[in-house]
Amino acid sequence: NAGVTQTPKFQVLKTGQSMTLQCAQDMNHEYMSWYRQDPGMGLRLIHYSVGAGITDQGEVPNGYNVSRSTTEDFPLRLLSAAPSQTSVYFCASSRRGISGTEAFFGQGTRLTVV
Amino acid sequence: EDKVVQSPLSLVVHEGDTVTLNCSYEVTNFRSLLWYKQEKKAPTFLFMLTSSGIEKKSGRLSSILDKKELFSILNITATQTGDSAVYLCAGYYGGSQGNLIFGKGTKLSVKP
Repeated sequence: NAGVTQTPKFQVLKTGQSMTLQCAQDMNHEYMSWYRQDPGMGLRLIHYSVGAGITDQGEVPNGYNVSRSTTEDFPLRLLSAAPSQTSVYFCASSRRGISGTEAFFGQGTRLTVV
Repeated sequence: EDKVVQSPLSLVVHEGDTVTLNCSYEVTNFRSLLWYKQEKKAPTFLFMLTSSGIEKKSGRLSSILDKKELFSILNITATQTGDSAVYLCAGYYGGSQGNLIFGKGTKLSVKP
């Protein structure tokens, strides 16, 4: 089982460029989420999805778009990169659960915007 | 505002010491509390706690939840250098679009 796969692992962008961070899971999980992790800030939720065709904003959604056309894939798009978006990005997936379930994380994408 | 607060933010101990990491939460429609260990890369799951007063154990790690006082602790006994990591606590809030709110983490350094 691959689990949650994120690509790329590293990326450098110039201010104003756009790009897509890819996330795929092979566990048939309903929930998928994107987080960003900055030093001393823990993990902050950007966007999430509770199933194909359904997405919603998290705590820090500005500057990012998502879509969920299949259960497996949940790409994160940076529309016009800014230095404030320099961060480590994690994708996570989990089963639906009334009391919560374990979230599985990808290995992360380290993004630098110059 | 929902929040999860961890303390201390960093901790340095020597091998063999016992440590206690704290997590307090204020989460609307709270359902469970999760602990993760993060070394260099992705967080890895440790425990999920849903009931008050029931200790969960895995080797030298144990955790317990107090839903009345809204906190959880993570204990690590006989620490080893391999325990050095950031430990993250997250509150899961339920509903149709339940999700996780993370604390800032506790960075644990275990010296030989």
